[in-house]
This record gives sequence, structure tokens and C-alpha cells, in this order.
Amino acid sequence: QSALTQPASVSGSPGQSITISCTGTSNDVGNFDLVSWYQQHPGEAPKVIIYEGSLRPSAVSDRFSASRSGNTASLTISGLQPEDEADYYCCSYVGGTTFVVLGGGTKLTVL
Amino acid sequence: QVQLVQSGSELKKPGSSVKVSCKASGYSFTTYAMNWVRQAPGQGLEWLGWIDTNTGIPTYAQGFTGRFLFSLDTSVSTAYLQISSLKAEDTAFYYCARRTPTYYFDSWGQGTLVTVSS
Repeated sequence: QSALTQPASVSGSPGQSITISCTGTSNDVGNFDLVSWYQQHPGEAPKVIIYEGSLRPSAVSDRFSASRSGNTASLTISGLQPEDEADYYCCSYVGGTTFVVLGGGTKLTVL
Repeated sequence: QVQLVQSGSELKKPGSSVKVSCKASGYSFTTYAMNWVRQAPGQGLEWLGWIDTNTGIPTYAQGFTGRFLFSLDTSVSTAYLQISSLKAEDTAFYYCARRTPTYYFDSWGQGTLVTVSS
């Protein structure tokens, strides 16, 4: 099972919106609306920010949203803030015995 | 509240073994699968596999069979990751993560740094 494809880096200025893509196949992202997204700040464990495709845990800002089209899932962060600077990872259910596949991660820089 | 607390950092020599623990609290341990994820320095996340906390049956991701062993002690709500025949490339942070029925990781341990060096 190959990893999901994410851009290595994205950047934006405070207040702007950015989108991070996560491309898989018809066996994972395209077949199940079970993509999750994780934010990881340096020196910390990852934290879920989106689950089941587009749902947000209650403690996560509504500036984070996600969607899916075909084999590609996308995470959008609106109104960028300095504290959004972190690494972001997507993850998809793939069924069978593998269950999940992770993306390679995207480093977000807030300029 | 849900907490996963992992054991402390380890410095090991090549060829030796290490056992990392992950103690769960704040929920019924056997109702959620426990997964293991590693992150080499400066690299992305790698899913190692998971263990069914009801049956104790482990499932290993491709490339993590043979030297990696998942186990449980349900009496103390603790999951374990053991790695044998350690290599320098096993140097990484190892995380346990609770997986929900809809296949996302809603709670993570703080990570355990395993350093393999002679």
C-alpha cells in the first residue's frame, strides 16, 4: 500500500487561506469517506483536527475544514494564524488488513 | 479524560532489543484498538500496525513483520511495542495511538524516543 501524496510544503501569510491536498487511489481516499487530518507542532505528538472526512473535534477551530473529490482529499485553513505553522498529515482507511495509510506530511509555513 | 502515557527515552546498542510501554487511562482499555506509529528524526509518520485489545491479535504493516512485536497486559491497561535486533535506522520517536471504530486516531501518547547507537 503506497503512502498518500501530499505537497512537501505550503506557505501563506496571516489572514490568508491555504489548501493542502492529499491524493490517494480508488482503493482508499476515493472509496471511503474516512479521511482524517493531523496537526503536529515541533516536539509534540500529532493531534487530530479532522475526522470522518470533514468533521472537527469540538476543541478545533472552525477555521479548519476539509473535503474530498474523487481520489483527492483537501484540508483548508482559513484566516491563517502564526500558531497554524506546523506539519499536517492525512490518513485514509483502506480496508482489508492494512486498515490505514498515511500521507507523507506537509510543512505549513506562516510567513 | 483519556490519556496514553508512554515510557521514557531509550538508548540502545545495535542488535539489542527494546520494549516501549503505553499505559491507557480514562476509558475502557479493551474497547479501542491500539496502534503504533513511528517518526524518524525530521521525517514523516509511519504506521507500524495495531493490536486488537480484546483478543490480543496483532496486525503488522508491510515492512514491520519479524522484528516488531505488539503485546498487551489488560490487567494494567497497557500496550507494549518490542523491537528486536535493533538497527541504527530504527532510531525514531514511537507513538501509541488509540483508534476509533471509524479509523482515526483520537488520542496519542507523548512519544518515546528510541536511539540506536554504538
